[in-house]
Amino acid sequence: AQSVTQLDSHVSVSEGTPVLLRCNYSSSYSPSLFWYVQHPNKGLQLLLKYTSAATLVKGINGFEAEFKKSETSFHLTKPSAHMSDAAEYFCVVSDLPFSGGYQKVTFGIGTKLQVIP
Amino acid sequence: ETGVTQSPTHLIKTRGQQVTLRCSSQSGHNTVSWYQQALGQGPQFIFQYYREEENGRGNFPPRFSGLQFPNYSSELNVNALELDDSALYLCASSEDRLETQYFGPGTRLLVL
Repeated sequence: AQSVTQLDSHVSVSEGTPVLLRCNYSSSYSPSLFWYVQHPNKGLQLLLKYTSAATLVKGINGFEAEFKKSETSFHLTKPSAHMSDAAEYFCVVSDLPFSGGYQKVTFGIGTKLQVIP
Repeated sequence: ETGVTQSPTHLIKTRGQQVTLRCSSQSGHNTVSWYQQALGQGPQFIFQYYREEENGRGNFPPRFSGLQFPNYSSELNVNALELDDSALYLCASSEDRLETQYFGPGTRLLVL
């Protein structure tokens, strides 16, 4: 079974402080994991992805995520929040159950990040 | 390099009608996926097309159907529209089935 749980629907941080957006996943196979960001009235933009290489993944705009298999987590972090980071963030799991088969993709419900000046 | 484009940007239909949404994939991409994003929700996977064949389907009824053309552009068709079909419909293309998906801006559908 494949699922994604974003543990916080809303996160509020002050500008310049660290950001932590939490994501837990389940997959019966070796999944790929992604974080996407969606600004109001804009499309989804890829922040970063994990595909079984390095467990610490660096993305755009200073974001990072660490894949922890033992905890089935893929939390998104940034050392210092900027006003422009205010947006909705989606954690995504994708796997291919068997060669030549159907790809399954599941989005989390999203975490709205508010950055306070 | 042209990104993923979708048309139309907005659409208003009435219950029972049919609608066709279009997506042009990024150059070099052979896989297109469609998602429905209801207000305040995360995108829900509808289906994926890989080299003109359906390669995956989420929990959507058969009145949601699609096509992929030889140039890898794609259509999403929805028959017998219901009020709950009102949503943002997102198309994403990728170089291959498990590769990173790049999203278009979406088509906002309102069913009255």
